[in-house]
Amino acid sequence: EAGVAQSPRYKIIEKRQSVAFWCNPISGHATLYWYQQILGQGPKLLIQFQNNGVVDDSQLPKDRFSAERLKGVDSTLKIQPAKLEDSAVYLCASSPGRVNLNYGYTFGSGTRLTVV
Amino acid sequence: ILNVEQSPQSLHVQEGDSTNFTCSFPSSNFYALHWYRWETAKSPEALFVMTLNGDEKKKGRISATLNTKEGYSYLYIKGSQPEDSATYLCAYKAAGNKLTFGGGTRVLVKP
Repeated sequence: EAGVAQSPRYKIIEKRQSVAFWCNPISGHATLYWYQQILGQGPKLLIQFQNNGVVDDSQLPKDRFSAERLKGVDSTLKIQPAKLEDSAVYLCASSPGRVNLNYGYTFGSGTRLTVV
Repeated sequence: ILNVEQSPQSLHVQEGDSTNFTCSFPSSNFYALHWYRWETAKSPEALFVMTLNGDEKKKGRISATLNTKEGYSYLYIKGSQPEDSATYLCAYKAAGNKLTFGGGTRVLVKP
């Protein structure tokens, strides 16, 4: 089974520039998550999709962050414009979406964003 | 806001020694507790999903226990090896809520 694919692996941009991250989840996984992990902190959920609908985006800074999951498969996360405090690892994860108490999330390897 | 605390933040272990560390979470409205291992430059990997008070789970030399009444889980590594060096994350899920992660325990096993 292929894992969760993310790209790019690394990105360095200047503040006020824009950046986009891409995620391809496990085939058939209905639920997709974007997490932001700032150095020294635990991952924080930015947005959760169920198929192509948003379930939770309460912690997404909507003035600069946007995300979409067209056709309920791939997803993109965009930051426009970026701030220094957006420097973090952006993790994508997926899960089957059905209730399965034995199933953890499957994560991608993340995109490390540095804003200078 | 759900408070999930992990301690210590980091620890150094001599190869061959055993170690353990803690995840604390709210004891009310408990649904599940996840443990993940995150090695540098790799994806976080699910170790355990625990749901019942008193649960004990084991995967190789790594095991975990769960106390939902007092709100804590321990992760144990027996006979630590250099390949166990990683950040270990716990995540708490209350009923109807999202998964909330702790800050992680960074383990470095010294040969």
